[in-house]
Amino acid sequence: QKEVEQNSGPLSVPEGAIASLNCTYSDRGSQSFFWYRQYSGKSPELIMFIYSNGDKEDGRFTAQLNKASQYVSLLIRDSQPSDSATYLCAVKRNTGNQFYFGTGTSLTVIP
Amino acid sequence: KAGVTQTPRYLIKTRGQQVTLSCSPISGHRSVSWYQQTPGQGLQFLFEYFSETQRNKGNFPGRFSGRQFSNSRSEMNVSTLELGDSALYLCASSRDRLQETQYFGPGTRLLVL
Repeated sequence: QKEVEQNSGPLSVPEGAIASLNCTYSDRGSQSFFWYRQYSGKSPELIMFIYSNGDKEDGRFTAQLNKASQYVSLLIRDSQPSDSATYLCAVKRNTGNQFYFGTGTSLTVIP
Repeated sequence: KAGVTQTPRYLIKTRGQQVTLSCSPISGHRSVSWYQQTPGQGLQFLFEYFSETQRNKGNFPGRFSGRQFSNSRSEMNVSTLELGDSALYLCASSRDRLQETQYFGPGTRLLVL
């Protein structure tokens, strides 16, 4: 079983819609959860991270964490064509400094 | 403030050769992690260095090694290259081992023929 699993997509949404990206993780000892965005040919850039159950909002982005279900999601409101990218979910355990990444979900926002 | 830099950006090698990749972290950052990214496996953790010591190692064979210098710059080495080592190698730095924000470099794209 992989540490972090994501639906590879592709996920297509119209401009202005809400994009919902999902991720599950296997280790209950995981402490921190991250969403990265990676444009084609570029390196990943951090969007946001979340530690506690519930929602965390940052501009058009909302991360949601449910530790009981071992599930983390990212909502992108008012999706823009510039949001078209691969979104990587990453998890960090409560020991060490090792990040585990999912294989990413490809998102396309259609104008 | 300059970002994470990696050299070289592109490399072509043949099977059996060895390669050394370099990473310079953001100034003041002391933790450097290395990742391999391939289309099939995604981003996989190779190792993490902090204060010139390897702190964590991923599930890669011993052909993959690394080191960190006193100025926090890091190198990784792959010996006896295999076709499957073709990948994007990414370096990420953070201020310390507890800081949550990792900043990635542009990567080195390695092609093994």
